[in-house]
Amino acid sequence: QVQLQESGPGLVKPSETLSLTCTVSGGSISTYYWSWIRQPAGKGLEWIGHVYTSVYTSYNPSLKSRVTMSVDTSKNQFSLKLTSVTAADTAVYYCARAVAGTDRALDIWGQGTMVTVSS
Amino acid sequence: DIQLTQSPSFLSASVGDRITITCRASQGIFTYLAWYQQKPGKAPNLLIYSASTLQSGVPSRFSGSGSGTEFTLTISSLQPEDFATYYCQQLNNYPFGGGTKVEIK
Repeated sequence: QVQLQESGPGLVKPSETLSLTCTVSGGSISTYYWSWIRQPAGKGLEWIGHVYTSVYTSYNPSLKSRVTMSVDTSKNQFSLKLTSVTAADTAVYYCARAVAGTDRALDIWGQGTMVTVSS
Repeated sequence: DIQLTQSPSFLSASVGDRITITCRASQGIFTYLAWYQQKPGKAPNLLIYSASTLQSGVPSRFSGSGSGTEFTLTISSLQPEDFATYYCQQLNNYPFGGGTKVEIK
């Protein structure tokens, strides 16, 4: 079955760029919406955005100026870049799949990766 | 921006209880709503989409209802594995509600 795995640095310095990759195994990356969600420790979920075949993206308005998402179909991966990070961006970052047939609900999730912003 | 407000934020219940969690949207969102369950240290798990459609593999004791601005998630008979935090999510602009933690009484 389809599985997702996040990867990337666990520690990022303030003002630098956070870069994460999600590898999709067991299925094609085509024809789905691929999302990023984050969760600060002890807090709720925040939708960051999603990408569809690198042609269409939608981002959370509160993060839009700092976020870029893309898809690499040759590697079956999609990625997140978040610029100018601060301590407020410290969180567990999840990648997830959204399916058009479920009104784009997030039906498959990665296990999450902890990213700490600190000097 | 559309805001989702969940209530209660915290719920204490016993095994076998019927519980209901409410999610209110600041504007009408038709039936574009999903419910997720999250256990500590784990990724969320999709329970319900389109307000009332049960995701494949989810037990039938979970049900969702509502449209427009008011939605509910009901667990008909709480099981030990159901103690978790539940989140609603709007499926147009994608914000999440603040969560409802269900704990054992």
